Amino acid sequence: AQSVTQPDIHITVSEGASLELRCNYSYGATPYLFWYVQSPGQGLQLLLKYFSGDTLVQGIKGFEAEFKRSQSSFNLRKPSVHWSDAAEYFCAVGEGNKLVFGAGTILRVKS
Amino acid sequence: ETGVTQTPRHLVMGMTNKKSLKCEQHLGHNAMYWYKQSAKKPLELMFVYNFKEQTENNSVPSRFSPECPNSSHLFLHLHTLQPEDSALYLCASSQSGDTQYFGPGTRLTVL
Repeated sequence: AQSVTQPDIHITVSEGASLELRCNYSYGATPYLFWYVQSPGQGLQLLLKYFSGDTLVQGIKGFEAEFKRSQSSFNLRKPSVHWSDAAEYFCAVGEGNKLVFGAGTILRVKS
Repeated sequence: ETGVTQTPRHLVMGMTNKKSLKCEQHLGHNAMYWYKQSAKKPLELMFVYNFKEQTENNSVPSRFSPECPNSSHLFLHLHTLQPEDSALYLCASSQSGDTQYFGPGTRLTVL
């Protein structure tokens, strides 16, 4: 069965600093991979997705993620964090109509 | 309206009440989903509908009863809930096997 691990429950970064959120997955075939963001009391917004092709994926709000098959990872990055990026971030792996989510990483941004 | 909408946004109910959550998608998708998001737990898939047919029931208690009258509307009927059912209930839609788009959620409190 698929599983997703986000090893960091909380991360705090300074505004303007770079960010990397880790995601590792367990899946037998080539996975469909997603990053979603959730602000408090809101639904999930899609940041980016990987289905195939170029392993470096660009998303909205200046985020990118890199698929590394050898490490079973799909880490999310942003070169310069803004205070508005404070939220909870979820990595997910998909198969057909099923999405399996990680437990999420809460990002705090300090000014 | 665009995207996925959910009503009500907040709901407080007693354990003996009957209530319904409504989800509507304006994206022309053919699959719809219910998820439960509890504090400190990963998102849990509850139900999946494809072309109005239920294709997934993730061992959800019978006090939760989904209904999908057409590909644009999804309901979750609630009766005799327990306090541990308090959570954020998220609806999503997709073209089968493709990216899921989420609504803002209904925050449910069971007293």
